[in-house]
Amino acid sequence: GAVVSQHPSRVICKSGTSVKIECRSLDFQATTMFWYRQFPKQSLMLMATSNEGSKATYEQGVEKDKFLINHASLTLSTLTVTSAHPEDSSFYICSALQGANGYTFGSGTRLTVV
Amino acid sequence: AQKVTQAQTEISVVEKEDVTLDCVYETRDTTYYLFWYKQPPSGELVFLIRRNSFDEQNEISGRYSWNFQKSTSSFNFTITASQVVDSAVYFCALSEGAGANSKLTFGKGITLSVRP
Repeated sequence: GAVVSQHPSRVICKSGTSVKIECRSLDFQATTMFWYRQFPKQSLMLMATSNEGSKATYEQGVEKDKFLINHASLTLSTLTVTSAHPEDSSFYICSALQGANGYTFGSGTRLTVV
Repeated sequence: AQKVTQAQTEISVVEKEDVTLDCVYETRDTTYYLFWYKQPPSGELVFLIRRNSFDEQNEISGRYSWNFQKSTSSFNFTITASQVVDSAVYFCALSEGAGANSKLTFGKGITLSVRP
């Protein structure tokens, strides 16, 4: 079946540094990918929709300069958390839309900012 | 705007009990998809089922069954003879339309604990 590989699975970074999270579709082309954020014991909140070759569409309240999304190819989307702070600590998860087959999720990245 | 409500937040059952997880949705579209996902402690989302708005047939897959009722905008999930491995957070989700940019809206999730 369709697989989305997300790396890293865990990352700890110092406050003020930037962290890049990668999401790759391994055996299919994904023109659309989605990035979600999940705080402990809460639901998944959509941050942005990423389309290959164009600018991402951000949800209301999500700072596009802080959460940089790049979808340069049909198999790779990246989320960069810039100048991370402790309040950015969260679980980030991507998903790829595989046409009529629906959504395939990555395994998530647990970010801790110290 | 689309909305998914999972009124139950935490459910605890003893192994072998049956348990039903409720999901109520709101949408203005006539074409939409409903999903259930399981999220174990490791965090990854495990796909359980997808149902489109035109297919109201109930579905059974092993110990899992789903009851879709458009009249009440509900898509409930039942686990029969629950097992400890069923312990997880379960999310119901909705996507509107069939376009390539359809995004998922998740409910708040239900934490299911199955005790031995």
